[in-house]
Formats: sequence, C-alpha cells, structure tokens
Amino acid sequence: EAEVAQSPRYKITEKSQAVAFWCDPISGHATLYWYRQILGQGPELLVQFQDESVVDDSQLPKDRFSAERLKGVDSTLKIQPAELGDSAMYLCASSRVGQGNNEQFFGPGTRLTVL
Amino acid sequence: SQQGEEDPQALSIQEGENATMNCSYKTSINNLQWYRQNSGRGLVHLILIRSNEREKHSGRLRVTLDTSKKSSSLLITASRAADTASYFCATDGDSNYQLIWGAGTKLIIKP
Repeated sequence: EAEVAQSPRYKITEKSQAVAFWCDPISGHATLYWYRQILGQGPELLVQFQDESVVDDSQLPKDRFSAERLKGVDSTLKIQPAELGDSAMYLCASSRVGQGNNEQFFGPGTRLTVL
Repeated sequence: SQQGEEDPQALSIQEGENATMNCSYKTSINNLQWYRQNSGRGLVHLILIRSNEREKHSGRLRVTLDTSKKSSSLLITASRAADTASYFCATDGDSNYQLIWGAGTKLIIKP
C-alpha cells in the first residue's frame, strides 16, 4: 500500500539553526500539504501545493519558513532560523485532485525539538 | 482557525465498552471526516460522511451527522486497547480541498 514518506522522523536543533524536512507524497497525488501540530491540538495548515504551485501559504511565517515543490512531486519545508516556539510535529499529507472526497493521506511526521 | 470542536477532550473507558465522541462545527459543509492519530504518529483516515447522509458504518465505527445542529458523533463499539489514540474530526473548507480540524478527543482504553 502506497504511503507518504517523511524524513527525518526526529530532529533536535538549537535555536537560530536551520532545519529542513522532506516529504514524498503518494504517487499521482497532485495536492500536498504541510501541517504543524502542537501537542494536544489539531493540525494547523502551513502551506498547500497543487502540483508545483503554492495554493495557500497564508499561515506560513514567511520571515523564517519556506517551502518548495520544484517538480511537483516531493517537497521540502525549511525553517531558518529555528526558534523555541517552533518545537512541534510537522506533518505532510497528500490527496488526489478531483477525487470528490478530499481524503488526505498523512506521513508519520517529523518531531522537531528546538533547544 | 479551527472549525471543529470535539467533545469530550479526553475519555477513558474499560476495554469492551463503547466510546462516543462528538464534533461540532460552525459553517455549512460538503462532508465531514474522522481521523485517528496514534501517539507520535501521523493521522489515519477512518470514515467520511457526506452532508446528505445521516449515518454511516464501517466495521466497529458508526458515524452520525446532524447538519441542522452542525454536529457529528463517532461511536466505537466493543473498544479494544488498540483503539487508544486521539480522534479528530475535519470538515471541508469552502475551496481548495482544505480541511479544517478540531482539537481532538484523546481516548484511552483500559485493559
């Protein structure tokens, strides 16, 4: 069964350092989402891609966060510089365009700890 | 912003009992979905119910939807230790295939 891949699974960094997360969606899924999830809360959308184009990045802190999906397949989310408040789970999800039910498939997530 | 609100925030029951959790939302929807998240993992889709449906079943799961009250419930029958997880409802936004998430119900099944 196809799955969304994410790496690394865990990342510990010091504040002011740069971090990067990678996501490989399910093959054929044109829509890709990056979420941030703080413990005890639901996922918060950071950015949504349709193929290689950004559909929505209104909640992305653009002064320090960037995201790209250059060939419309895998994607990278970067934080530079990391701050203590960035400690959270970063989830990637994908969905198939036009499937009518907008079910999202999630990767295992990257747990980020900023010291 | 979060549209869905789950109730209760946490639920602890004995194995074999039924677990019921509720979700309320604010705006009109096309569909509502329930997801499960095991500790420290990604979310897994459980079931989707469309706005013109009132009840849907999948194995030990039963979902109801009341659009007049803007609410949904998820019933897990004959609970098992493996059902221990957080459960989230998500509603579709007005465009762009986005989902709006609640804060989740943390379910603990005691053996």
